[in-house]
Amino acid sequence: EAQVTQNPRYLITVTGKKLTVTCSQNMNHEYMSWYRQDPGLGLRQIYYSMNVEVTDKGDVPEGYKVSRKEKRNFPLILESPSPNQTSLYFCASSPREARTGELFFGEGSRLTVL
Amino acid sequence: GEDVEQSLFLSVREGDSSVINCTYTDSSSTYLYWYKQEPGAGLQLLTYIFSNMDMKQDQRLTVLLNKKDKHLSLRIADTQTGDSAIYFCAESGGSYIPTFGRGTSLIVHP
Repeated sequence: EAQVTQNPRYLITVTGKKLTVTCSQNMNHEYMSWYRQDPGLGLRQIYYSMNVEVTDKGDVPEGYKVSRKEKRNFPLILESPSPNQTSLYFCASSPREARTGELFFGEGSRLTVL
Repeated sequence: GEDVEQSLFLSVREGDSSVINCTYTDSSSTYLYWYKQEPGAGLQLLTYIFSNMDMKQDQRLTVLLNKKDKHLSLRIADTQTGDSAIYFCAESGGSYIPTFGRGTSLIVHP
C-alpha cells in the first residue's frame, strides 16, 4: 500500500531532550516536506527537500533540523526541544513529475514538550 | 509572498449545501486545491482545479474558480455528518508545491 509513515504517532518529552521523528514513504517520491499544525494557524512548513541531499528551510525552521540521505526517508530532528514546539507534525511527499503538486500526508505525530 | 485566506469555521445543517470560500494572492497560481482533514488523520486531496478552468464537478462536490477575483469555492451538496472535517484551500505556482490556507472547520449538525 502506498503510504507515508511517521513515527512516533504520539510523544511526550521534556525540554532539552533530543528527539527524532521519522518519516518514510514507499512511493519513490522526490519531494518531501515537514509541516506543523497549530490551532488557528493552519499548516506551516518547517523544511522541505526536493531530492536526496537537497534540503531547504520553510516558513518556521528555527529549532529543527532535517536530513535526506535516502530518497524514502526524511527525519525531523529536534536537538533541544522547547514547549513552543508542542504541536501536531505532518510529513508529506509528492512526485514532482506529476506536475499537479498533490501532496501525500502521513497520519501525524503529536508532540508534547513539558 | 503567496497568501491564502479562508474563514475558520462553518456550521451547516445535515442535508443542506455547504460553501467554503477561499481567496489567494498569487496571480501565477497554476493549480488550486481542496484538501480534507478528518479528525485524527492527515490531509487528503479532495479535488483540484487547473487555473484555466472555471468549474469542476465531482459527484456532490463543485469547485468554482474566479481567477479575476482570485476566489475559489467548494460547494458540498447534501452535506452529511461524515463531511465534518477541516477543509484546506491551497494553491501552487511554478514550483507545483502547494501553499495552504489556515483551514475551515466544517461542523454538520442534525
